[in-house]
Amino acid sequence: DARVTQTPRDKVTEMGQEVTMRCQPILGHNTVFWYRQTMMQGLELLAYFRNRAPLDDSGMPKDRFSAEMPDATLATLKIQPSEPRDSAVYFCASADRWGETQYFGPGTRLLVL
Amino acid sequence: GENVEQHPSTLSVQEGDSAVIKCTYSDSASNYFPWYKQELGKRPQLIIDIRSNVGEKKDQRIAVTLNKTAKHFSLHITETQPEDSAVYFCAASPGSGNTGKLIFGQGTTLQVKP
Repeated sequence: DARVTQTPRDKVTEMGQEVTMRCQPILGHNTVFWYRQTMMQGLELLAYFRNRAPLDDSGMPKDRFSAEMPDATLATLKIQPSEPRDSAVYFCASADRWGETQYFGPGTRLLVL
Repeated sequence: GENVEQHPSTLSVQEGDSAVIKCTYSDSASNYFPWYKQELGKRPQLIIDIRSNVGEKKDQRIAVTLNKTAKHFSLHITETQPEDSAVYFCAASPGSGNTGKLIFGQGTTLQVKP
């Protein structure tokens, strides 16, 4: 049963530190999404890629967030510098080439002190 | 752009009763409407979906209905059980090109009381 994986599962860091989250999409899926989930905002789309190219990153604060896909098996989301308001659960999801059904990873729970 | 409104935000039912969650969308070109269930501390998981060329779809105790004219769709859970307790999200896929992007509703917390 193929699944999206994410690391780390939990991250506690201090304000100002760099945070890198990683995602391995399901093998063969060519579309990758990054979401942020907080109690107040629900599931907020930050950025997504198709065939490793960014399609839309308008949901992402550009000054501190960056997303990349170094290769087809790895997507990264970086925050530098991190701030307490970035505390949330960050989910990665992938979809196959038909692009509709998204499969979510287990999430990275980030706490910035 | 697409906007999805979901209500109610919380719903409490007695075990065995039915639960209905409703969503409205703004983009008449939207063509795909999935529902996700998220248990506490877990990932969202797809439970049922419907495409714009279908009015209703059923899978055991779960059904989804779509009214394209009114631009709303609903999730129906019959004979609810305590394990149905979770947050449910509806979503819509904007019709402008096959980008795969989903716009999610704000979620409904369903509590099923034994």
